[in-house]
Amino acid sequence: AQSVTQLDSQVPVFEEAPVELRCNYSSSVSVYLFWYVQYPNQGLQLLLKYLSGSTLVKGINGFEAEFNKSQTSFHLRKPSVHISDTAEYFCAVSERTTGRRALTFGSGTRLQVQP
Amino acid sequence: EPEVTQTPSHQVTQMGQEVILRCVPISNHLYFYWYRQILGQKVEFLVSFYNNEISEKSEIFDDQFSVERPDGSNFTLKIRSTKLEDSAMYFCASSAIRISTDTQYFGPGTRLTVL
Repeated sequence: AQSVTQLDSQVPVFEEAPVELRCNYSSSVSVYLFWYVQYPNQGLQLLLKYLSGSTLVKGINGFEAEFNKSQTSFHLRKPSVHISDTAEYFCAVSERTTGRRALTFGSGTRLQVQP
Repeated sequence: EPEVTQTPSHQVTQMGQEVILRCVPISNHLYFYWYRQILGQKVEFLVSFYNNEISEKSEIFDDQFSVERPDGSNFTLKIRSTKLEDSAMYFCASSAIRISTDTQYFGPGTRLTVL
C-alpha cells in the first residue's frame, strides 16, 4: 500500500516569487510519481510525471519536480509564479512493479498567488 | 483538445435513491476510471475498467456500486442505494493505452449531494 503526504494545505505567495510545494510518499513497492493541477471548476490536469531516468522532471507551465529516493520526496517547484497558477495541486503515486493503475493522491495544496 | 466530460455537474438525491453518474471519456481511450473526493479529504480511487470488465477496484467499491459502458461513448457509475456518506465529488478519467504509465485524463467532476 502507498500513502502520499502533502504537508502544506495552503501556500500563499506573491506574484513572480518562487514556490515549492512539498510531497512525501511511503510505499512498500517502487512507484511512479505524478503532479496534477486542478483549476476552479475543471478536472485534474497532469503537470508532470516521474517514470525513470533523470530525477529532475520538467512539466507544463514552467513547473519542475525533483525525485529524491532517499527522502521519498517529489517536491514541485516554479521559479516565478503567475496569478494564473492559483489552483489546487495534487501529488500522486502509482505502483511500478504490479502494473496496477490506481493513483493514490495526497490531500492537495492550494496555491494562492497574490499580486 | 479532446477532454473528458461528465454530467450532471451537480446531482442532489434523497438517501436510499439510486443515482447514475455519466461520463464521456476521450474517444480513442481504452481504460476508464472513477475516483471520488469527499469534501476536505483526499481523492480516492474507486474502480478501473478495460475491455468491458472491471480491472481493479478499491475496498470502497462494494456491491452498492457498479460501472457500465452501455454504448461506444458513455461510461457510467451507478450507486444503488445512496447513503449520506456517498456525498462527494466523483471524477471520471480515461487513458489511451494499456500501460500503467499512461496519463489519466480527468473530467471536471460531478458533485453528488445525498440528503
